[in-house]
Amino acid sequence: DAKTTQPNSMESNEEEPVHLPCNHSTISGTDYIHWYRQLPSQGPEYVIHGLTSNVNNRMASLAIAEDRKSSTLILHRATLRDAAVYYCILRDGGTASKLTFGTGTRLQVTL
Amino acid sequence: DTGVSQNPRHKITKRGQNVTFRCDPISEHNRLYWYRQTLGQGPEFLTYFQNEAQLEKSRLLSDRFSAERPKGSFSTLEIQRTEQGDSAMYLCASSLLRSEETQYFGPGTRLLVL
Repeated sequence: DAKTTQPNSMESNEEEPVHLPCNHSTISGTDYIHWYRQLPSQGPEYVIHGLTSNVNNRMASLAIAEDRKSSTLILHRATLRDAAVYYCILRDGGTASKLTFGTGTRLQVTL
Repeated sequence: DTGVSQNPRHKITKRGQNVTFRCDPISEHNRLYWYRQTLGQGPEFLTYFQNEAQLEKSRLLSDRFSAERPKGSFSTLEIQRTEQGDSAMYLCASSLLRSEETQYFGPGTRLLVL
């Protein structure tokens, strides 16, 4: 799986938007961009995924650059419950199996 | 609760003992994955099953580790002759086979080897 680069940590105030960046300059045409998050003392949780177009769901939005070499996970209004480690992962759509996690971005949300 | 369940949630053992963990996936999911996570790191893939067939094993899975998924339902992960370096969180995930499959994770089993 291609490699992703994320900042180690970010901070946000509660009820403000959060933009979590991810660089994946070696992405291939069949790679999907997946985001998972891991709350303290829990297993990872799926957030969102996309291929080329921007995606929205009830949890977040995913903005994908036109050249697909970067993407941004957007939490529209951060809450204390969004404090977690966020992982950006590339998965080949043709041979999808295991997830290859990096060290992710630890998001801290403050009042 | 119809999510992925893992038992036990915590296990403390002495070095050299054998331990076995169980994972019950979401009932209709045909793929089941095992990952290991140490402090401050992301989860690392260990192995996965499609139905009862073990399709891939990581080089992290030494010969002391064995995983089974009899009848394609629950799975067990056994570690023989545990070492202190085996201390970690062991995570199980399940999914449906398709190209964009989402993996659903259990809460994990935390192992401490003394």
